Amino acid sequence: SQTIHQWPATLVQPVGSPLSLECTVEGTSNPNLYWYRQAAGRGLQLLFYSVGIGQISSEVPQNLSASRPQDRQFILSSKKLLLSDSGFYLCAWSGGSTGGYTFGSGTRLTVV
Amino acid sequence: SQKIEQNSEALNIQEGKTATLTCNYTNYSPAYLQWYRQDPGRGPVFLLLIRENEKEKRKERLKVTFDTTLKQSLFHITASQPADSATYLCALGGQASSASKIIFGSGTRLSIRP
Repeated sequence: SQTIHQWPATLVQPVGSPLSLECTVEGTSNPNLYWYRQAAGRGLQLLFYSVGIGQISSEVPQNLSASRPQDRQFILSSKKLLLSDSGFYLCAWSGGSTGGYTFGSGTRLTVV
Repeated sequence: SQKIEQNSEALNIQEGKTATLTCNYTNYSPAYLQWYRQDPGRGPVFLLLIRENEKEKRKERLKVTFDTTLKQSLFHITASQPADSATYLCALGGQASSASKIIFGSGTRLSIRP
């Protein structure tokens, strides 16, 4: 069966520090991968999506970047975090038989 | 610009009644619509997908309708239970210019009281 792993679950980082969030998918090949951010009480904002290794599309100009070094690995990064980068970050994949997205458990990032 | 609107107010329903959530959209022609459930501090969980050529879809106590003329989807939970309390998100996808991306509404918080 397919599973998605996202870590860490929580993270507190100082302003100006770097960021690396990792997401891996198991049990499927060539998935579409996504990074979303969710502000408190708000909907999900699509940050990046990838349809294949090395193929990244950015949806919103921002302080973040994404990479897909392997088929089932998706990384969200920042060189210097801003206070406004705080939020709940979710990784997801699609391409399964249900047609829906499968989300990871999320990372709660607090920039202080 | 594309816009998705869900009930902005929380919905409080008596256990056993049918809960009905609304999703309206503008400036979009989706090929399909999805509904997700999200519990606090967790990622959304996929519930149902309905395509533009389908009027209604059911799964156990869940029923979804999709009216492309009204640009609206209704999500029903029959015989509601306290365990159904969560935030429910609708999402639209499949527009030609958007490839495999979907866009989400901000969600409706549903509370089922015993």
